[in-house]
Amino acid sequence: AQTVTQSQPEMSVQEAETVTLSCTYDTSESDYYLFWYKQPPSRQMILVIRQEAYKQQNATENRFSVNFQKAAKSFSLKISDSQLGDAAMYFCAYRSAQGAQKLVFGQGTRLTINP
Amino acid sequence: DSGVTQTPKHLITATGQRVTLRCSPRSGDLSVYWYQQSLDQGLQFLIQYYNGEERAKGNILERFSAQQFPDLHSELNLSSLELGDSALYFCASSVSLIAYEQYFGPGTRLTVT
Repeated sequence: AQTVTQSQPEMSVQEAETVTLSCTYDTSESDYYLFWYKQPPSRQMILVIRQEAYKQQNATENRFSVNFQKAAKSFSLKISDSQLGDAAMYFCAYRSAQGAQKLVFGQGTRLTINP
Repeated sequence: DSGVTQTPKHLITATGQRVTLRCSPRSGDLSVYWYQQSLDQGLQFLIQYYNGEERAKGNILERFSAQQFPDLHSELNLSSLELGDSALYFCASSVSLIAYEQYFGPGTRLTVT
């Protein structure tokens, strides 16, 4: 079974600075997808960014980018120019490319933005 | 707004009772997923339906059941409720089995007293 681990329960960053959230996963599959979801105080789950395992290029969405290291099974999220609205719980998630389409989530990292 | 709707937003009930949570997927989405978010278990996959058929089961208790109707909306039935069932229940949808993006509803907060 696949597992996802987020080793940082909490992180904080100054507004306008850059922060990196860590995620590692364990799988025997070669083809899969990885995601970062944001959960603000409203509790809504919002997809931030996704990465296909077969792509070597790291995904980028505006101020959000990932560092995908397939061999190391590592998938970190970098937030540049942090804004107060980025404060939330961030969840890393794994999905198989075949078979079950369920998402397997990490425990989450609570990100605080200091003004 | 993801386009996925869930009702009710909040539900407070007593132990031993039965409740039904409802989910309407985004227009055109055929696949529905149910997840449970609790303090001790985190976010866990419960069950998936695709075009009316059960597709995959996760850590879903026998006291829980779900179905997807011909109009593609889904219901999650929780019975013989226990205090530990208190959680946020999310529904998510995706357009197909191949689509990798799942869009989440706002969740139903269930409190069992």
